[in-house]
Amino acid sequence: GENVEQHPSTLSVQEGDSAVIKCTYSDSASNYFPWYKQELGKGSQLIIDIRSNVGEKKDQRIAVTLNKTAKHFSLHITETQPEDSAVYFCAASKNDDKIIFGKGTRLHILP
Amino acid sequence: ETGVTQSPTHLIKTRGQQVTLRCSSQSGHNTVSWYQQALGQGPQFIFQYYREEENGRGNFPPRFSGLQFPNYSSELNVNALELDDSALYLCASSFRRAGVGDTQYFGPGTRLTVL
Repeated sequence: GENVEQHPSTLSVQEGDSAVIKCTYSDSASNYFPWYKQELGKGSQLIIDIRSNVGEKKDQRIAVTLNKTAKHFSLHITETQPEDSAVYFCAASKNDDKIIFGKGTRLHILP
Repeated sequence: ETGVTQSPTHLIKTRGQQVTLRCSSQSGHNTVSWYQQALGQGPQFIFQYYREEENGRGNFPPRFSGLQFPNYSSELNVNALELDDSALYLCASSFRRAGVGDTQYFGPGTRLTVL
């Protein structure tokens, strides 16, 4: 069935360094790839998304890349700050219907 | 803030009981999707409602049911609660047109504990 694998499950980086989270998906028909940030008590916030007709998208310190051939997509956060500490989920869907989520990456920004 | 609200915030029930969770969608949205997030896991799709009808369902038993109202708000009902139903329940609203949905925006969730 449809599946999204996410790595690593936990990631610690020094403040100011970059963080990279990688995901793979199984359904080649997937065409929409959102990333959500989840903080305790704040729900899941959409931080960036990419559609299958684009290979890369950037929004300030956050960028996402997509390789449709390999069915890989990645989140890159540069110049990390303490407020970037959270759980990040990658996801995949077809036409924005049912979203299949990865298991999440807990990102710790170390002072 | 996404404009999606859920109630209640927290809920404690016992096995065998029934529960109703509520979701108000963002203004202008016509579709609500429900997800279950167990501790340490990613959200799992339960079902989606569009124009007051179920529009897709995940791998959940029939005791999970839902409703969507004319104002596009939605309810998730779970009958005969089991311990494994303890989770964070998330709803997401979006706008669907011509058979294609748009970005889903999540509410803060309802934390359900089944004892």
